[in-house]
Amino acid sequence: AQSVTQPDIHITVSEGASLELRCNYSYGATPYLFWYVQSPGQGLQLLLKYFSGDTLVQGIKGFEAEFKRSQSSFNLRKPSVHWSDAAEYFCAVGADTDKLIFGTGTRLQVFP
Amino acid sequence: EPEVTQTPSHQVTQMGQEVILRCVPISNHLYFYWYRQILGQKVEFLVSFYNNEISEKSEIFDDQFSVERPDGSNFTLKIRSTKLEDSAMYFCAGDRGLNEKLFFGSGTQLSVL
Repeated sequence: AQSVTQPDIHITVSEGASLELRCNYSYGATPYLFWYVQSPGQGLQLLLKYFSGDTLVQGIKGFEAEFKRSQSSFNLRKPSVHWSDAAEYFCAVGADTDKLIFGTGTRLQVFP
Repeated sequence: EPEVTQTPSHQVTQMGQEVILRCVPISNHLYFYWYRQILGQKVEFLVSFYNNEISEKSEIFDDQFSVERPDGSNFTLKIRSTKLEDSAMYFCAGDRGLNEKLFFGSGTQLSVL
């Protein structure tokens, strides 16, 4: 069955610290992979996506993610977190840009 | 950046009542979707809509649900007789196809009492 697992429900980091949010997927074919961010009262905003090619993908707001086929992972990273990065982060997988399968999300809290 | 607009932001209704959730997609989008997120659970696909008809729907999207785009602008989700378990955040989304990114609205929080 197709699924996305985000093992960390809640992560707390200090401002300026590095960040890695984990995402593992189970998908029959070559997946399209996405990371979305949701700030309170806002919609889901696309951070980055992987379709093919270079397995290290750069996104907006200084985020990047690496596709590792052998580990079925697509972890999101940022070298230095800002207080404004506090939000809910969702990993998603799909055969296309539609009908995405989402993970349960990871809530990021940033302390000054 | 263009936005997908959803109204209302929060709707409270009594069980058994009909609700209509409204979305104004970005004007050049061709594909439209509804997703929902029950509190504490995953964001789930409900339905996709293209060329004025449903192109795909999930098992959640039963006969109580319908979608339409009556005036070529607003994209609506109707729940005919709401149940307690319909309480969720409902997201509208759209794109132009061509593997471009999906734009989501800010959601409508539906509370069924």
